Amino acid sequence: GENVEQHPSTLSVQEGDSAVIKCTYSDSASNYFPWYKQELGKRPQLIIDIRSNVGEKKDQRIAVTLNKTAKHFSLHITETQPEDSAVYFCAASRGNMLTFGGGTRLMVKP
Amino acid sequence: DAMVIQNPRYQVTQFGKPVTLSCSQTLNHNVMYWYQQKSSQAPKLLFHYYDKDFNNEADTPDNFQSRRPNTSFCFLDIRSPGLGDAAMYLCATSRDPGGADEQYFGPGTRLTVT
Repeated sequence: GENVEQHPSTLSVQEGDSAVIKCTYSDSASNYFPWYKQELGKRPQLIIDIRSNVGEKKDQRIAVTLNKTAKHFSLHITETQPEDSAVYFCAASRGNMLTFGGGTRLMVKP
Repeated sequence: DAMVIQNPRYQVTQFGKPVTLSCSQTLNHNVMYWYQQKSSQAPKLLFHYYDKDFNNEADTPDNFQSRRPNTSFCFLDIRSPGLGDAAMYLCATSRDPGGADEQYFGPGTRLTVT
């Protein structure tokens, strides 16, 4: 089955700096790669996603890149703000099945 | 608003006492999922339904069962909860049976086992 590894597990940045979270996946048939943000005690919420026919996607301060050959994808958050503090999960999907990475706890210091 | 609803939000049960968690959706999505999420871990898929077709993950314990009586509702039954089953249980839905589509999560039910 699919295996998704996510790094780092914790990330602390200063407000205004950029944050980068990286994930690798094992199943070359995976074709959908969402990123979820989860605040303490709340549901995971989709913040951005990318499909396998696209190499990069951007939405305001958030961008995702995908390298299918190397089987890795990354989340980039620019101009971080304290409200960006949360746990971020990457995931890879083949068919209906989402496999999550282990999560990254992002802390943005004011 | 179209959404995924879970009840109750908090559930306390005794060791070994059966418990049922419920999920409903107004999105009319074909696929419904149940995830278990323990503290500081990623959600772990227990099973999913594509319409009425049930798909069980290989490592989901037999203690966990599910029912989907219609498109809108899905239930998670834990037959004999153990202390290790204490977790957040998340229901999710998606539209596209072929995958490559967003999963919409409910707010979760936090289960405590005493």
